[in-house]
Order: sequence, then C-alpha cells, then structure tokens
Amino acid sequence: EMQMVESGGGLVQPGGSLRLSCVASGFTFTNYWMSWVRQAPGKGLEWVGNIKEDGSETFYVDSVKGRFTISRDNAKNSLFLQMNSLRAEDTAVYYCASTVIRGQGTLVTVSS
Amino acid sequence: EIVMTQSPATLSVSPGERATLSCRASQSISSNVAWYQQRPGQAPRLLIYDASTRATGIPARFSGSGSGTEFTLTISSLQSEDFAIYYCQQYRNWLSFGGGTKVEIK
Repeated sequence: EMQMVESGGGLVQPGGSLRLSCVASGFTFTNYWMSWVRQAPGKGLEWVGNIKEDGSETFYVDSVKGRFTISRDNAKNSLFLQMNSLRAEDTAVYYCASTVIRGQGTLVTVSS
Repeated sequence: EIVMTQSPATLSVSPGERATLSCRASQSISSNVAWYQQRPGQAPRLLIYDASTRATGIPARFSGSGSGTEFTLTISSLQSEDFAIYYCQQYRNWLSFGGGTKVEIK
C-alpha cells in the first residue's frame, strides 16, 4: 500500500531555513509527479508545489516562489522541500503526496 | 487552476442519521477525486479515491459517487467517531482541495 513518511520539521526563527524529507513506499515512485501540501493551524489544505517524475520541472504556489525548492532522489524514493527565508505564515504541518496524502506530516513552526 | 467548492460548510446531523456532503469542481475532472476525514489534532485520513473506491480499512458506511464536476460523499449512518471535518481533493490537474465540511452533532 502507498505510504509516505515525512520528517525534518521543527522550530525555526523567522528568516531561517529548514529541509523537509519524505520517503515513499508501496508504489512506483518514478511514475508520479510528487507534491508538497501544507495545513496551517486551524486552516484547510494548501498545495505548495510539485516536481515532475524525472525532476526536470517544478511548480510552486505564488506565496513560496523564490523561497522554497522541491527536489527528489528517485534512487531512494525520496522527496525534499528546502525552505528558506521562512515566515510566520509558513507555520504548518507539511505533507508529501503523489495523487493523495498518505502520511502523518511534519510540523514546521516559524517563531522567534 | 481547478477550484473545488464544498457544501455545506457545516452539517448538523444526529447519530444514526445519513449525511450527504457535496463537492463541485470548476471544470471536469473525470473521477479523479479523493475524500478525507480529519479529526482534531490528526492528519487527514484517506476515505475514498477515484471518486468511489474506499481506501483500505474504511467502513462500508462511507461511499462516494459522481464524475465530471459534481461529487458526493455519503455516510449512511453516522457513528460518534464520524463527527469531524471532511475534505475533497482533485488530482486531475495537479492537486487542489475543497474548503472542508464540518460534520457536527445535532
């Protein structure tokens, strides 16, 4: 069965950086675009960005463009989210997804 | 961008009653829809994918239907653990989510 395990979250100061990881299993990772999705406290689910199967293309929501970078390592069935210049409004639980969300997410808190 | 609109925002239902939740897509998305349940403090739990296929371990009282732009999640007889927020999501063109329907005890 499809599974995702996210990690790397934590507390970071405004302006800081964090790198999230996601390890996928139970499906052919190289066949799928992969996405990051986030959920701020008390809010709904928001698509953050995605990456093509071979890593050659990425797309982002406007609010993170120029600050976040998605990458992948197909040999390790892994997805990454490099987050720079973090803001308080980036505080959220971050999930990775192929077509659907299957993991527990990792919490990122941006606060001084 | 495909916009997903859920209705109603809040649904008040008595235990044992049927609940019907709606989700509309701004353009046709075939059957590329998933439904999630989210309880407080927990991650979204996948209930339905491909509009009508129950995920592993999901009770039969949950059913999904629809195609194109109109989708429905039905909970046939609400149990106490079903009072939660429900989200729909499309994966036809990238990913996008509805704003959620809160199912509360009447």
